[in-house]
Amino acid sequence: AQKITQTQPGMFVQEKEAVTLDCTYDTSDPSYGLFWYKQPSSGEMIFLIYQGSYDQQNATEGRYSLNFQKARKSANLVISASQLGDSAMYFCAMREGRDDKIIFGKGTRLHILP
Amino acid sequence: NAGVTQTPKFRVLKTGQSMTLLCAQDMNHEYMYWYRQDPGMGLRLIHYSVGEGTTAKGEVPDGYNVSRLKKQNFLLGLESAAPSQTSVYFCASSRTLPRVDQPQHFGDGTRLSIL
Repeated sequence: AQKITQTQPGMFVQEKEAVTLDCTYDTSDPSYGLFWYKQPSSGEMIFLIYQGSYDQQNATEGRYSLNFQKARKSANLVISASQLGDSAMYFCAMREGRDDKIIFGKGTRLHILP
Repeated sequence: NAGVTQTPKFRVLKTGQSMTLLCAQDMNHEYMYWYRQDPGMGLRLIHYSVGEGTTAKGEVPDGYNVSRLKKQNFLLGLESAAPSQTSVYFCASSRTLPRVDQPQHFGDGTRLSIL
């Protein structure tokens, strides 16, 4: 079974609109961390935001926020006021507390339209 | 501010040739990882290391070997390259567990083509 599922292979969004990228995860470990990374066309991986399983509040970093619904095991990334520079591949990832590895989803390609 | 540096950035090999990809980090991180990225597959973990002298298998270890002789370096070797190993390879590093909030820092990737 997949640990991280990103169901949207591609999305097209109008500039300045808000965007929600879906991520669901599967773990039985009570301690885990969830990460989102951005990969622009230049190829580098850029860390965006982190959410811990014990965090009481949803994480926010500038225009990025994480809609964390623990009971549903979802950790959706919300980008407010999208910009052309947000066009990229976005990866959701998870590290379980008992594991050394970080597992990535297959990604969502986001296209921002002018 | 070098961070994670991968060498080389591009390489073309013939089937059966061998090569080594080098990853170097200057952040004194304990954990280092090698991933491959293929279209539609996301990033898949090949091997990783939790400290100098240690290595462990990831999701797709077959056909690869690794070594971590020095803390700052993590080498990925292909003994006999196959066309199926054509991919973009990423190295990453992070601080130690058990803190789950440690993000990984990535290199810029190595684009490897096997003919």
